[in-house]
Amino acid sequence: ETGVTQTPRHLVMGMTNKKSLKCEQHLGHNAMYWYKQSAKKPLELMFVYNFKEQTENNSVPSRFSPECPNSSHLFLHLHTLQPEDSALYLCASTVGVTYEQYFGPGTRLTVT
Amino acid sequence: DAKTTQPPSMDCAEGRAANLPCNHSTISGNEYVYWYRQIHSQGPQYIIHGLKNNETNEMASLIITEDRKSSTLILPHATLRDTAVYYCIVRGFGTGNQFYFGTGTSLTVIP
Repeated sequence: ETGVTQTPRHLVMGMTNKKSLKCEQHLGHNAMYWYKQSAKKPLELMFVYNFKEQTENNSVPSRFSPECPNSSHLFLHLHTLQPEDSALYLCASTVGVTYEQYFGPGTRLTVT
Repeated sequence: DAKTTQPPSMDCAEGRAANLPCNHSTISGNEYVYWYRQIHSQGPQYIIHGLKNNETNEMASLIITEDRKSSTLILPHATLRDTAVYYCIVRGFGTGNQFYFGTGTSLTVIP
């Protein structure tokens, strides 16, 4: 049990759909992250939130829209995705941006 | 952040120690060495980190050379559940420093 949960675990969506990924951490951490992991590629950092404020956007296309309503919850809103966006999307949290990160189990996204 | 170099794959017999090397020859004085692992299609799991002293916890030991240009993660008694991709990351403290995962070492523990 890592204390970081993600829902849904699997998602199949069409290119015209709108969906959201949810991440919740029960660790009292202040910073949260979204990563993308495509098949056989390294993890790519997408967004960083520290105390609910976005501190990093790693040149992510606007069809990915993050939202962090509080330090425990992080969303990734998806719209008009492309098939190449199919990947494992991972959420992580940390007590502060200088400390080790704890990851959720990920959402396996397939765009058809 | 300094780049790291790891062998792409390694095998280890079950019950034996697994020694995973990492080169980080451009590491700077304020950068830590972190190790994570990722079991297939799961989220990465934090293992251990250190600055210059050797570190040990319930999962593994981290040996950092005196010049800090390389390190070794040691799993003392590898089990089949230790089969995973192991990532070595060097990272400085500070709000602008993030974890950048490379391709890691794919460790296979053989029965």
